[in-house]
Amino acid sequence: DQQVKQNSPSLSVQEGRISILNCDYTNSMFDYFLWYKKYPAEGPTFLISISSIKDKNEDGRFTVFLNKSAKHLSLHIVPSQPGDSAVYFCAASARRNNNNDMRFGAGTRLTVKP
Amino acid sequence: DGGITQSPKYLFRKEGQNVTLSCEQNLNHDAMYWYRQDPGQGLRLIYYSQIVNDFQKGDIAEGYSVSREKKESFPLTVTSAQKNPTAFYLCASSIIEWSRNQPQHFGDGTRLSIL
Repeated sequence: DQQVKQNSPSLSVQEGRISILNCDYTNSMFDYFLWYKKYPAEGPTFLISISSIKDKNEDGRFTVFLNKSAKHLSLHIVPSQPGDSAVYFCAASARRNNNNDMRFGAGTRLTVKP
Repeated sequence: DGGITQSPKYLFRKEGQNVTLSCEQNLNHDAMYWYRQDPGQGLRLIYYSQIVNDFQKGDIAEGYSVSREKKESFPLTVTSAQKNPTAFYLCASSIIEWSRNQPQHFGDGTRLSIL
């Protein structure tokens, strides 16, 4: 069962513009959401997270937005840089399960063109 | 510097053989996890452990076994019962903090292939 979905397998953006990566989830018990970034032949690196008590969390060029009613979150990267080119995974979990049930999307490959 | 070390990076196995993937962390994290990634799919949880000498099955535990004899180490054995073992295996660890969410941190993975 795919409880976390990233419907766009790839995204291409020009350097300096905004990158918007989207993620949808189905389990209303999820209350903790994360974005990971993955380069080839490396493990995913934690990027940013958001708790369900918030609708926005910002860290430098990265902002995550959460729309609980739509069960949708997005990651905005502004401005995009060539070094941001990677695969981005969305993940979600329920704190009541101590995050042991973390579910991952299939990933979106972002390419930032110079 | 602290981190999660997975070895080897690439591993080849003959049909019918068991093989063990190593995962070591020096972050003093309580919880450790094993995931499997297949092309075009998200990570799927194989096993996790929150404390030494205890571990729980994830969604796809069949054909796998683990041990947690030390806090720092969580080796995964892919047994001959695993019918489709070719995949990218990722180990992760995290702090357990009951009052606050904590992210999982990943190693660089082991790619297992069947000869």
